[in-house]
Amino acid sequence: EAQVTQNPRYLITVTGKKLTVTCSQNMNHEYMSWYRQDPGLGLRQIYYSMNVEATDKGDVPEGYKVSRKEKRNFPLILESPSPNQTSLYFCASSLWGGNTGELFFGEGSRLTVL
Amino acid sequence: TQLLEQSPQFLSIQEGENLTVYCNSSSVFSSLQWYRQEPGEGPVLLVTVVTGGEVKKLKRLTFQFGDARKDSSLHITAAQTGDTGLYLCYGNTGKLIFGQGTTLQVKP
Repeated sequence: EAQVTQNPRYLITVTGKKLTVTCSQNMNHEYMSWYRQDPGLGLRQIYYSMNVEATDKGDVPEGYKVSRKEKRNFPLILESPSPNQTSLYFCASSLWGGNTGELFFGEGSRLTVL
Repeated sequence: TQLLEQSPQFLSIQEGENLTVYCNSSSVFSSLQWYRQEPGEGPVLLVTVVTGGEVKKLKRLTFQFGDARKDSSLHITAAQTGDTGLYLCYGNTGKLIFGQGTTLQVKP
C-alpha cells in the first residue's frame, strides 16, 4: 500500500530534550516536505527536499533541522525543543516538486513540549 | 509571508444546506488544489485546477477557478454529515502555500 509513515504519532517531551520525528514514503517520490499545523494558521512549511541531499527552508524553519540521505526518508530533528514548537506535524511527499503535484500526507505527529 | 486567504474560517450548517468556501490571493496561481482533512488524519487531495475559468465537479462538490487565476471556490450542494472536516486550498504563486483552512461542521 502506498503510504507516508510518521513516527511517533504522539510525543510529550520537555524543553531542551532533542527529538527526531521520522518520515518514510514507499512511493519513490522525489519531493518531501514537513509542515506544522496550528489552529487558524493552516499548514506552514518547515523544510522541504526536492531530492536526495537537497533540502531547503520553508516558511518557519527556526528550531528545526532535516536531512535527506535516502530518497524514502526525511526525518525532522528538534535539537532543543521549546514550548512554542508544540504543534501537529505532518510529513508529505509528491512525485516531483516545483509545481502542484498531489501531496500525500502522513497521519501526523502530535508533539507537546513542556 | 504570502498568504492564501480562505473564507469563512468556520462554518456550521444543517444537513441538506448548500455552502461555498473561497480561496483568494493577490498573486496569480499557476495551479491550485483543494484538500480535505478529517480529524486525526492528514489532508487528502480533492481536486487540482490549472486553467482560468475551469469548473470541476466531484459528486456534490463543484470547484471553480477564477478567470484571472487569483481566486477559487468550492461549492457543496446538499451537505451531508460526512462532509464535515477542514478544507484547505493550496496554490502555486511561484511559492507553494496553503490557505488557513475552513472548518466545516455539518449537523444532522
